[in-house]
Amino acid sequence: AQSVAQPEDQVNVAEGNPLTVKCTYSVSGNPYLFWYVQYPNRGLQFLLKYITGDNLVKGSYGFEAEFNKSQTSFHLKKPSALVSDSALYFCAVRDPGNQFYFGTGTSLTVIP
Amino acid sequence: GAGVSQSPSNKVTEKGKDVELRCDPISGHTALYWYRQSLGQGLEFLIYFQGNSAPDKSGLPSDRFSAERTGGSVSTLTIQRTQQEDSAVYLCASSLAGTGGAYGYTFGSGTRLTVV
Repeated sequence: AQSVAQPEDQVNVAEGNPLTVKCTYSVSGNPYLFWYVQYPNRGLQFLLKYITGDNLVKGSYGFEAEFNKSQTSFHLKKPSALVSDSALYFCAVRDPGNQFYFGTGTSLTVIP
Repeated sequence: GAGVSQSPSNKVTEKGKDVELRCDPISGHTALYWYRQSLGQGLEFLIYFQGNSAPDKSGLPSDRFSAERTGGSVSTLTIQRTQQEDSAVYLCASSLAGTGGAYGYTFGSGTRLTVV
């Protein structure tokens, strides 16, 4: 069965420091992996995706994610966090039937 | 339209009443999904429409919940005899499928349902 795990409900980081939001997955076949962000009182927005190719994927707002097949991980990263990055982040995996599976979300707080 | 449109944006209803939530996906997107996001919870899958195929209803929490998609476009999620635990943000998303699955979702801004 396909599944996505975000082991941290909450991540706090100081402004200017690097941030990591963790995601691991379980999927049959080659995974299609996604990150979405939800800012307060807004709908979810697409950040980035991994389909194939380079393991380091760059996305919106300076975010990037690294696909690690051996560890079945797709952690979201940013070299220098901004207060405006504070939001809820969801990792998702797509199965061959185009069904998406979401993690439970990680609330990121960037402290000024 | 340019994005996924959901209406109403907010709905307050009395316990026991029926509600209808509407989703207008991006034109040409064959896949449409409904999710529910409760306070402090992640995204809960409800139902998935793909083209003319029978929908995947496996996420609907009870028989009070139903959804339809007319003409492969607009979808309506109906909740009958609403309960307080139905209070949540209901999110609709659409995607362009059938070309190797390289696409993610586009989400609507959601309908915040409050049952009082």
